[in-house]
This record gives sequence, C-alpha cells and structure tokens, in this order.
Amino acid sequence: DTGVSQDPRHKITKRGQNVTFRCDPISEHNRLYWYRQTLGQGPEFLTYFQNEAQLEKSRLLSDRFSAERPKGSFSTLEIQRTEQGDSAMYLCASSLARQGGEQYFGPGTRLTVT
Amino acid sequence: GQQVMQIPQYQHVQEGEDFTTYCNSSTTLSNIQWYKQRPGGHPVFLIQLVKSGEVKKQKRLTFQFGEAKKNSSLHITATQTTDVGTYFCAGGASGTYKYIFGTGTRLKVLA
Repeated sequence: DTGVSQDPRHKITKRGQNVTFRCDPISEHNRLYWYRQTLGQGPEFLTYFQNEAQLEKSRLLSDRFSAERPKGSFSTLEIQRTEQGDSAMYLCASSLARQGGEQYFGPGTRLTVT
Repeated sequence: GQQVMQIPQYQHVQEGEDFTTYCNSSTTLSNIQWYKQRPGGHPVFLIQLVKSGEVKKQKRLTFQFGEAKKNSSLHITATQTTDVGTYFCAGGASGTYKYIFGTGTRLKVLA
C-alpha cells in the first residue's frame, strides 16, 4: 500500500501524559498537513509543512502541541500534558507542492484521554 | 480568521432524489476542494475548483465555484445509497497552502 500511513491507529492515555503520533506521507509528496477532527465536525487545521519547513501553525493550537518533519519525509505530532479536550481523531494528509494540490488523507490516530 | 460554513448540516433524501450542499467562505478563496467522508472513514478528495465561475462534472456530481470565489456548491443528481457520507468543502486562501474545512453536510439516502 503506497498511501498515507499513521501510527498508532488508536491511543488511550491518562490526562497529563505526553503522546506522539507518526505520519508517513506518500513518498513523492513534499507537503504534509495535520488536522484534528471531533465527532460531527470538519477537519480542523493544525499545521502544515513543505519539505522539512513548518510553514504555518494554527493560532488556536496551544503550546502543548508541536510537530516536526526532520528530513522532509515522515512527520511527528506531539501533545504534552494531555487534557480530556484533546480527545479526537488526528488526521495527516499529504500533497504535491503545486497550487491547490489534492490532499490524500491517512486513516488517522484516534486519541482518547481519560 | 477565515471561516467556511456549509448548509444544510444534514440532508435525508429518498434514493433517486437530487441533493445539493452549499459552501460559503468569509473571505475570498484562491481555490476550493471537495471531499467525501464515509462513516468511520477518512476524507477522500473529489475535486478542486480554481477559476471564478468554474463548473465541473463527475458523472452525477456537479461542482460550481462562485463568481466572487467565496462560495461553492455540490449537486448530486439521482442519489444512490453509495452516496451516503459527509461532504466537506475546503477553502484555500491566497498566499498560503493552508485549507480551512467547512462544517460538512451529512447525507443519508433512504432506499
């Protein structure tokens, strides 16, 4: 399968713990996005990268969230000191770096904070 | 900040009826994308519109981008049970490759 993959698919953690998610984009895609989706809502933009550069980060995102894409390939999203409100599906998408490239989404990581 | 709203929030139709969802942005867009998300699945790209007034068709689906590039619509002719899911628009702003997703329209098709 050459699509976008995410790991883990499910994560249950206790409030206050740190969690890290990984996204592997489609190999030739140099743009990578992170979104958060809660039930009944559309994907909420978190951040995006072009190659290894993080070009934009949502102003709604607290300092507890950080993302990296060290070599312009896979990316990680870390949430520190998790809160119950962080419970959501975290989606990764990748695209080609041309204007308005279609985004290919991964299956997501479902986070539950207890 | 930029907001993208969709109406209606929900739509139930009988199989064979038509369906339309409307997408409105608070700011002028450089382009708009449409996605479909099946229950339990992830968003899947349908189409992208770039030009003012653009109309594109995919079989029973017709997509329009408004003249002012602030609104868009998706129309499905003669719905089928396979059309069930939530349809999202995603607006791209000028000067950035960030996309703001709409609130979505959840379609149910009754056989």
